[in-house]
Amino acid sequence: QIQLVQSGPELKKPGESLKISCKASGYTFTDYAMQWVKQAPGKGLQYMGWINTQTGKPTYADDFKERFVFSLETSASTAYLQINNLKNEDTATYFCARSLRYWGQGVMVTVSS
Amino acid sequence: DIQMTQSPPSLSASLGDKVTITCQASQNINKYIAWYQQKPGKAPRLLIRYTSTLESGTPSRFSGSGSGRDYSFSISNVESEDIASYYCLQYVNLYTFGAGTKLELK
Repeated sequence: QIQLVQSGPELKKPGESLKISCKASGYTFTDYAMQWVKQAPGKGLQYMGWINTQTGKPTYADDFKERFVFSLETSASTAYLQINNLKNEDTATYFCARSLRYWGQGVMVTVSS
Repeated sequence: DIQMTQSPPSLSASLGDKVTITCQASQNINKYIAWYQQKPGKAPRLLIRYTSTLESGTPSRFSGSGSGRDYSFSISNVESEDIASYYCLQYVNLYTFGAGTKLELK
């Protein structure tokens, strides 16, 4: 069955960087783009963008064009979200999703000094 | 960018009620709207795509309709398992979520 399994929770300080993973199984990884979605505590879903898993080309929504990097390790069927220069407002759960139909379990990221 | 205005932000219903949530797009989205259910601590679950197509496993008490800029999502005969937050999503041009509707029991 199709599964997206994400890495574990993160606690970081402002200014640090982190990299979240999303490992896909149950389908051919390069057949579908991977999407990323942010959800701040108690808030709604915010679309961050997507990465073409065939070419590696990322597309970012307007609010995520700075400090956010999507990448791939195709041989491992894994997508990554890197956030640089972390800010308090990056505290959120980050989801990967395939076709916005299959979702990872989410990674809770806490940024606090 | 396409904006999605979802209302109401919250809804209180009794078991067995019919409830309706609306989403208005900032431009014509040609029926490319999906609806999601999200329970606390869980990933969203896709219920309906392309305005009114129910995903496999979505109970028939859920329905969607609309065209152009205006869309609605309904639950007839609300059950306790339907208590959750609901989001619309346009996918005609990139993707944009509505702000969400929290459904609570009266």
